Amino acid sequence: GAGVSQSPSNKVTEKGKDVELRCDPISGHTALYWYRQRLGQGLEFLIYFQGNSAPDKSGLPSDRFSAERTGESVSTLTIQRTQQEDSAVYLCASSSYRDMNTGELFFGEGSRLTVL
Amino acid sequence: LAKTTQPISMDSYEGQEVNITCSHNNIATNDYITWYQQFPSQGPRFIIQGYKTKVTNEVASLFIPADRKSSTLSLPRVSLSDTAVYYCLVDMMDSSYKLIFGSGTRLLVRP
Repeated sequence: GAGVSQSPSNKVTEKGKDVELRCDPISGHTALYWYRQRLGQGLEFLIYFQGNSAPDKSGLPSDRFSAERTGESVSTLTIQRTQQEDSAVYLCASSSYRDMNTGELFFGEGSRLTVL
Repeated sequence: LAKTTQPISMDSYEGQEVNITCSHNNIATNDYITWYQQFPSQGPRFIIQGYKTKVTNEVASLFIPADRKSSTLSLPRVSLSDTAVYYCLVDMMDSSYKLIFGSGTRLLVRP
């Protein structure tokens, strides 16, 4: 597609359930990022994938959070045993090597997660 | 990674020029300065990036003094649609390419 696509756009779940959030990056983009944004706050870095290199997981807040990416395609962010504090918008961004040299990330519209 | 400090919020009126200043006192030699814009319910959008002096594009200008310890994003003749949150980032553009977003500046443009 033309841009970064995320699904679902909205997800309401009950505390303790697992959720999966999906990101389809722009075709050909080697870098993929996940960020979390709580209401009224800035973006928190979660994880970064670059090609086939080991991902940078330094931003994942707990072992309940994990993410996978197959090659340079789709990524899935999984949150196990969700808690109310996990409620946020989860944003995905991708970038090509050329765009990274100019600092430009392309963001999706996010997946809004509400944990009841 | 260099820490950035920017005002929490700013108010302006349509047609005015808006300048948002970001402080990054411990910026490193290899760091670039990048600004993003975020509208409600959308992901951030790249506006401009610079290393030193002045950079201008169709959206904004970025002024960076010689010591690079601060930078100013200038939006000419703002309109209501420029109401958004503006983020200043400082990044080493190293092999990790990890961009850290702060809390941003919430700009409100009034009629």
